[in-house]
Amino acid sequence: QKEVEQDPGPLSVPEGAIVSLNCTYSNSAFQYFMWYRQYSRKGPELLMYTYSSGNKEDGRFTAQVDKSSKYISLFIRDSQPSDSATYLCAMIGQGAQKLVFGQGTRLTINP
Amino acid sequence: KAGVTQTPRYLIKTRGQQVTLSCSPISGHRSVSWYQQTPGQGLQFLFEYFSETQRNKGNFPGRFSGRQFSNSRSEMNVSTLELGDSALYLCASSLDPHNEQFFGPGTRLTVL
Repeated sequence: QKEVEQDPGPLSVPEGAIVSLNCTYSNSAFQYFMWYRQYSRKGPELLMYTYSSGNKEDGRFTAQVDKSSKYISLFIRDSQPSDSATYLCAMIGQGAQKLVFGQGTRLTINP
Repeated sequence: KAGVTQTPRYLIKTRGQQVTLSCSPISGHRSVSWYQQTPGQGLQFLFEYFSETQRNKGNFPGRFSGRQFSNSRSEMNVSTLELGDSALYLCASSLDPHNEQFFGPGTRLTVL
């Protein structure tokens, strides 16, 4: 079993919809949680960074962490065609030196 | 503030050759991590350097090596290239691995 599980999709939604992306994990030592967006043939771009449980909002993006369920989510409101990309969750534990990534979810927003 | 830069952006090599990739982190960042990204395996951690010391290494053969210089710039080397080494190699920099890691555009390596 992988440490971090993420549905690879693909996920296709109409423009303006609310998108929900999720990851589950098995390692209870993970403390820092990140979401990256990666466009084709580009490096990942950091979208959200959260520590421990709770919510964080940044514009149209909201990240949620539920450590009791070992479950993290990224919500995109008012989705735009420019949001079409692969979204990767990543996490790291206190004292560790490497990020562990999910497989990535390929998202397409249809105009 | 300039982002993470990686050179070269594209590289084509043949089996058995070796290759060196370079990464310049964001100014002030002392931690540099390297990842390999392939369609089948996703993003896999190679190694992390902090203040010229390798602090962690992923599950890759000894053909993969790296180093970090006093100015935090880092290089990774792959010797005796194999077809399966074809991938996007990404470098990320941060103040510390627990802080936000910022990625460069990657070096796309093709091994023929």
